[in-house]
Amino acid sequence: ETGVTQTPRHLVMGMTNKKSLKCEQHLGHNAMYWYKQSAKKPLELMFVYNFKEQTENNSVPSRFSPECPNSSHLFLHLHTLQPEDSALYLCASSPGRADTQYFGPGTRLTVL
Amino acid sequence: ILNVEQSPQSLHVQEGDSTNFTCSFPSSNFYALHWYRWETAKSPEALFVMTLNGDEKKKGRISATLNTKEGYSYLYIKGSQPEDSATYLCALNNAGNMLTFGGGTRLMVKP
Repeated sequence: ETGVTQTPRHLVMGMTNKKSLKCEQHLGHNAMYWYKQSAKKPLELMFVYNFKEQTENNSVPSRFSPECPNSSHLFLHLHTLQPEDSALYLCASSPGRADTQYFGPGTRLTVL
Repeated sequence: ILNVEQSPQSLHVQEGDSTNFTCSFPSSNFYALHWYRWETAKSPEALFVMTLNGDEKKKGRISATLNTKEGYSYLYIKGSQPEDSATYLCALNNAGNMLTFGGGTRLMVKP
């Protein structure tokens, strides 16, 4: 185990639903990340938070809304998603910028 | 947009074979190169972080080399075992804490 947990592990939602993905780390890290992996594509960075402040938004549509209430927790709020948003969503954390990132097991999201 | 390429995309080897695969990346503004091992249904696991040209790192039967001037890194596995079966990812860090990942090399080791 890497010390990064994600819930739920699997999620099926309709296009009109609102749901949230949760990530938690107990490693004392200051940076947290959301990544997306679609089928047959490389892992793609979505958002970066350093000390609870968002420092990167990699041109992600507004139907994905991140929240970092403290340095241990990271959320990804989802609303009015499209079927093409179905993917594996991975959370990661690192001690600081440019350090090794520790990944959670991911949430497999299916949008119907 | 950075282009991080990994080859081959997939590889089948027999138990006991040694193997290697490649990660190519743009050599400008290089900061660090990361290697991860990702088993199915598990979290990606960090193997190495390499920063200096000519760096060579080793972890058991797995080792990696780095050439920042020509923009490539090799990952070697000596005497492959079935438990080495996984996808091996490289990721380039060239600014702050953004990692750009390659598409991965999927290794399958047959007993």
